[in-house]
Amino acid sequence: SQTIHQWPATLVQPVGSPLSLECTVEGTSNPNLYWYRQAAGRGLQLLFYSVGIGQISSEVPQNLSASRPQDRQFILSSKKLLLSDSGFYLCAWRAVAGARYEQYFGPGTRLTVT
Amino acid sequence: QKEVEQDPGPLSVPEGAIVSLNCTYSNSAFQYFMWYRQYSRKGPELLMYTYSSGNKEDGRFTAQVDKSSKYISLFIRDSQPSDSATYLCAMTYGNQFYFGTGTSLTVIP
Repeated sequence: SQTIHQWPATLVQPVGSPLSLECTVEGTSNPNLYWYRQAAGRGLQLLFYSVGIGQISSEVPQNLSASRPQDRQFILSSKKLLLSDSGFYLCAWRAVAGARYEQYFGPGTRLTVT
Repeated sequence: QKEVEQDPGPLSVPEGAIVSLNCTYSNSAFQYFMWYRQYSRKGPELLMYTYSSGNKEDGRFTAQVDKSSKYISLFIRDSQPSDSATYLCAMTYGNQFYFGTGTSLTVIP
């Protein structure tokens, strides 16, 4: 069966510090991978998605970046965090050969920028 | 205009009530229509999906799609306290998913 992991679960970082959030998927190959941010009252905001290693599409221009160094690894980074980067970050995957409606989410990382 | 609009609530109902959750959308190219349930501080989980206009039933849950009106609904019958969560509608086009802002539901015992 497939599982998705995210870490850390909770993070408190000062403004201006760097960020690295990691997501890994097990039990599937060549998944589509997604990073979302969820802020109160704003729903899920798609930040990045990837259809393969090294292939990243950015949906929102900001100080965040994403990388996919391995097939089932997706990393969200920032060089300098802003207060507005606080939120609940969710990684998700979708099987390329699977049903197009099936997207599975990880447990999330709650980031607080102070 | 957002592609997907959803009333954020919050919605509070007594146990056993019928709950109706709704979303409207603007893009007629959307292909699949889903409902996710998200418990506090957890990732969303897929609850139901539909493809065509009409109703789809799964236990106490019924998903309804009206493509002509660009309107989708989720009905929960005999609501339970364990149904208390945020419900997000979602739609797909290509590789992307478009989400509503979510409706917070509380079922009071």
